[in-house]
Amino acid sequence: DAGVTQSPTHLIKTRGQHVTLRCSPISGHKSVSWYQQVLGQGPQFIFQYYEKEERGRGNFPDRFSARQFPNYSSELNVNALLLGDSALYLCASSERQVLNYGYTFGSGTRLTVV
Amino acid sequence: DQQVKQNSPSLSVQEGRISILNCDYTNSMFDYFLWYKKYPAEGPTFLISISSIKDKNEDGRFTVFLNKSAKHLSLHIVPSQPGDSAVYFCAASAGLVNDMRFGAGTRLTVKP
Repeated sequence: DAGVTQSPTHLIKTRGQHVTLRCSPISGHKSVSWYQQVLGQGPQFIFQYYEKEERGRGNFPDRFSARQFPNYSSELNVNALLLGDSALYLCASSERQVLNYGYTFGSGTRLTVV
Repeated sequence: DQQVKQNSPSLSVQEGRISILNCDYTNSMFDYFLWYKKYPAEGPTFLISISSIKDKNEDGRFTVFLNKSAKHLSLHIVPSQPGDSAVYFCAASAGLVNDMRFGAGTRLTVKP
């Protein structure tokens, strides 16, 4: 029974480049959320998608965008990368938009911007 | 804005003793609180949660206490085991938007 899978696991990009991160939710889960975790801090909410529609957006610039596909997988795109975008990007899936229990997180994509 | 705060970056306890991890929040709209555990190179794993209509929730060795008037919650682990050594995150959410706000985490070390 596959959990939340994210690819790639590690990535090194140069400032100004663009990056696409991918997430496959647990089978049957229709909600995907993206979080950014900078070293020494807790995860910060970026986006939630449910049934292919954006249902929530955190305090991130427009350089960050995402989408959800018909199979409920999701992509997070970041344009014009800055050094400060270096972080662990976590994807979490859930059956519903609103939970009364915790998300299931993937292991994350470690993005390093140089 | 730090709406969820974990003021202790680290905690060390002896195996078999109680671990108490603390969390404070500022947003009175939060109505659901969660604890996650994170091992290195893994994503956070959901541990236990509590709704704002309760003041205690227990699951095996883990108990979460919520004090709404003080805007404070705590996670008790009894007895602590070496396998509990991890970073523990407190998180909170409000309303229908599934936007969890996380604290910075507390690194728990349980010594054999």
